[in-house]
Amino acid sequence: GQNIDQPTEMTATEGAIVQINCTYQTSGFNGLFWYQQHAGEAPTFLSYNVLDGLEEKGRFSSFLSRSKGYSYLLLKELQMKDSASYLCAVRGANDYKLSFGAGTTVTVRA
Amino acid sequence: DTGVSQDPRHKITKRGQNVTFRCDPISEHNRLYWYRQTLGQGPEFLTYFQNEAQLEKSRLLSDRFSAERPKGSFSTLEIQRTEQGDSAMYLCASSLEAGGKQYFGPGTRLTVT
Repeated sequence: GQNIDQPTEMTATEGAIVQINCTYQTSGFNGLFWYQQHAGEAPTFLSYNVLDGLEEKGRFSSFLSRSKGYSYLLLKELQMKDSASYLCAVRGANDYKLSFGAGTTVTVRA
Repeated sequence: DTGVSQDPRHKITKRGQNVTFRCDPISEHNRLYWYRQTLGQGPEFLTYFQNEAQLEKSRLLSDRFSAERPKGSFSTLEIQRTEQGDSAMYLCASSLEAGGKQYFGPGTRLTVT
């Protein structure tokens, strides 16, 4: 099975940087995904890591350490529209289904 | 590419009634997944299809739940004899291939009264 942990809530100021950590214990691993979900909407893809290291995409970066079972999502130059839930998800090795954490609600304040 | 669509977006039903939801994946995506999400939680896997074949069902999916993808395109999820505990957002996702990125639909929010 999969056990995925991430903080429940984080608050940051507009223009600042926030780092959302995710730790996982899984029976199989074939990649880690980060999704953004605004209230009442579908999750939208942000980033994907399958090898160790940092993936950068604009204001968003994601890091993975497979040996430590650890990932983080870094949000830079925060904007009010970044207020949302951020979901960490691990993909299984054989079935490719996603196992999600409970999500981290990020609130950006002016 | 019009994205994944789901219908209806909202459904309110009385306990004991049957409901059916539809998901239209992105064209040519051969993988289709169903997830369920309750408030404050991440989506939980329910089942998935490779073309028309249902390859796995979660233990969350009781005998009251059934899913089909008859022609390998759209899929339906039926819940029989609904219970209040079935109230949730039901999300559908599709991917081009087994290892591809999953794109989510807007979801169907079910409320059982």
